[in-house]
Amino acid sequence: AQSVAQPEDQVNVAEGNPLTVKCTYSVSGNPYLFWYVQYPNRGLQFLLKYITGDNLVKGSYGFEAEFNKSQTSFHLKKPSALVSDSALYFCAVRDANNFNKFYFGSGTKLNVKP
Amino acid sequence: NAGVTQTPKFQVLKTGQSMTLQCAQDMNHNSMYWYRQDPGMGLRLIYYSASEGTTDKGEVPNGYNVSRLNKREFSLRLESAAPSQTSVYFCASSEQASGNSPLHFGNGTRLTVT
Repeated sequence: AQSVAQPEDQVNVAEGNPLTVKCTYSVSGNPYLFWYVQYPNRGLQFLLKYITGDNLVKGSYGFEAEFNKSQTSFHLKKPSALVSDSALYFCAVRDANNFNKFYFGSGTKLNVKP
Repeated sequence: NAGVTQTPKFQVLKTGQSMTLQCAQDMNHNSMYWYRQDPGMGLRLIYYSASEGTTDKGEVPNGYNVSRLNKREFSLRLESAAPSQTSVYFCASSEQASGNSPLHFGNGTRLTVT
């Protein structure tokens, strides 16, 4: 079975500080991992993905994510947070046995304060 | 480029009423999806269509029906709405059902059933 967990409902960080949004996963087979961001009253937007290769994946808006196979984690990071990064972030894993199925975490609300 | 377009944006129904949520994509994607988003639960897959002419159940299909009208359009129907179907509904599409292809989301339909 495939699943993801986002252990923090909310993350608060000051503008200019580094941010981390945590995600752990459970998969059978190779992991296909994604991060999405949702702004108020909008759909989810794709940020980045890990399929294979380098453990540090770079994505949109200066975000990156670190894949750690031994810890089964895929944490989202950014070196310097902006107030405009405040949004809801979702980690997702794609079912390796049925690529049509994604499993989403419950979401983490990121608050960046000036 | 419009991407994924959903109509309506908002809808209020009484218990027992029916309605159809419309979705269209202009990216020539093969796969289309319907998700519902509820607070603290992430997104859950209702139905998907891997290609024109096919549809399959997701995690939470009960109470819903879908139609893949053509490659562009994928509609979701509630035959007899129930308060438990109060949610935000998102349509998404993907170029193909492969590990690499992310989902592209519409902006959602906020449905309230009283």
